[in-house]
Amino acid sequence: NAGVTQTPKFRILKIGQSMTLQCAQDMNHNYMYWYRQDPGMGLKLIYYSVGAGITDKGEVPNGYNVSRSTTEDFPLRLELAAPSQTSVYFCASRTSDFGGELFFGEGSRLTVL
Amino acid sequence: DAKTTQPNSMESNEEEPVHLPCNHSTISGTDYIHWYRQLPSQGPEYVIHGLTSNVNNRMASLAIAEDRKSSTLILHRATLRDAAVYYCILRDYGGGGTSYGKLTFGQGTILTVHP
Repeated sequence: NAGVTQTPKFRILKIGQSMTLQCAQDMNHNYMYWYRQDPGMGLKLIYYSVGAGITDKGEVPNGYNVSRSTTEDFPLRLELAAPSQTSVYFCASRTSDFGGELFFGEGSRLTVL
Repeated sequence: DAKTTQPNSMESNEEEPVHLPCNHSTISGTDYIHWYRQLPSQGPEYVIHGLTSNVNNRMASLAIAEDRKSSTLILHRATLRDAAVYYCILRDYGGGGTSYGKLTFGQGTILTVHP
């Protein structure tokens, strides 16, 4: 049972490049989340999804896009990367139960130069 | 929106109990109170959650006030490995749509444990 898997773990981008952070979970969780964490700061919600085909904005969605075509996968796309997007990105998932525990991936460290 | 308020930082000595408070005065009747922690250079990890009754697990205890407007995470004997940022979170709904699934983290409490 792999849980939540994020790829890549590390990536360096040049300003203006685009990329997709992959997130997959094998727990059949309906809810999935993308958070970013800047150095020394707390987690900020970028986007979340409550099921396949249903996504919504979080606190800091600008510069990102998501899709949820399957229950398992929730990729995060960065368009036109900027230095302000240098951060650690965490994907998480949970059941739709009110008390459902969040399961986190190991994180993806992105640097934009 | 259900919001939480936590102290920015707390300190403890090793082997002593630690009580980490969280205020959530706008909590709704169906909201669970979740606690997570983030060890240095790691991702967040689940600690405990509860609805109304006090809860215990191998990591900690959660004491929930009778009116549910506050809760306290209790580490019975702090160790150096418990030094982390502790987050108390509720669902961040209130915006309609799919906000019932929205979960946001505040700044949390930085716990320092002294040898």
